[in-house]
Amino acid sequence: ETGVTQTPRHLVMGMTNKKSLKCEQHLGHNAMYWYKQSAKKPLELMFVYNFKEQTENNSVPSRFSPECPNSSHLFLHLHTLQPEDSALYLCASSQASTWETYNEQFFGPGTRLTVL
Amino acid sequence: KQEVTQIPAALSVPEGENLVLNCSFTDSAIYNLQWFRQDPGKGLTSLLLIQSSQREQTSGRLNASLDKSSGRSTLYIAASQPGDSATYLCAVFNAGNMLTFGGGTRLMVKP
Repeated sequence: ETGVTQTPRHLVMGMTNKKSLKCEQHLGHNAMYWYKQSAKKPLELMFVYNFKEQTENNSVPSRFSPECPNSSHLFLHLHTLQPEDSALYLCASSQASTWETYNEQFFGPGTRLTVL
Repeated sequence: KQEVTQIPAALSVPEGENLVLNCSFTDSAIYNLQWFRQDPGKGLTSLLLIQSSQREQTSGRLNASLDKSSGRSTLYIAASQPGDSATYLCAVFNAGNMLTFGGGTRLMVKP
């Protein structure tokens, strides 16, 4: 247990559905991250939130919409996804990093998403 | 743009062997490098974190080295065990909270 939980663990959705992924951290961190892990591709950073402010959007399509209501919770809202969006979506948290300071990220178990 | 490459992509060894996993990165201006372990369908577990000023870190049977100038890191696993079977990921941190991952090495240790 890393102190980062994700729900649901598995999700199957059609291309016209709307769903949300949830991440919660119990570590007192103030930065949270969404990553995408596709088959045969390196882990890709999607979004970064520092102190509830989005500081990074790594050219992610608008069908993915993040929300960070507080420093302990992070959501990823999904709508009109494509089959190629099927992947493992990982959430991580850390103490907020500065431009030159890296604080170790702790990862959740991920949500395995299948888009039909 | 930082690119991280891990070789080999997959490795199968008998139990007890010592082995080396390789990681290379194109932009040597990193602040640190981290090795993770990922079990199938699971999240990432941090193994070792090497700051850019350090040359190596050790934890139990694991030893990671960093040669920042040549853009390389190695993860050495001594006396491998079946429980070591997993995917090992290397990631480097550049300025701006960007953690760039390699594609991973899938390790199988056979009893």
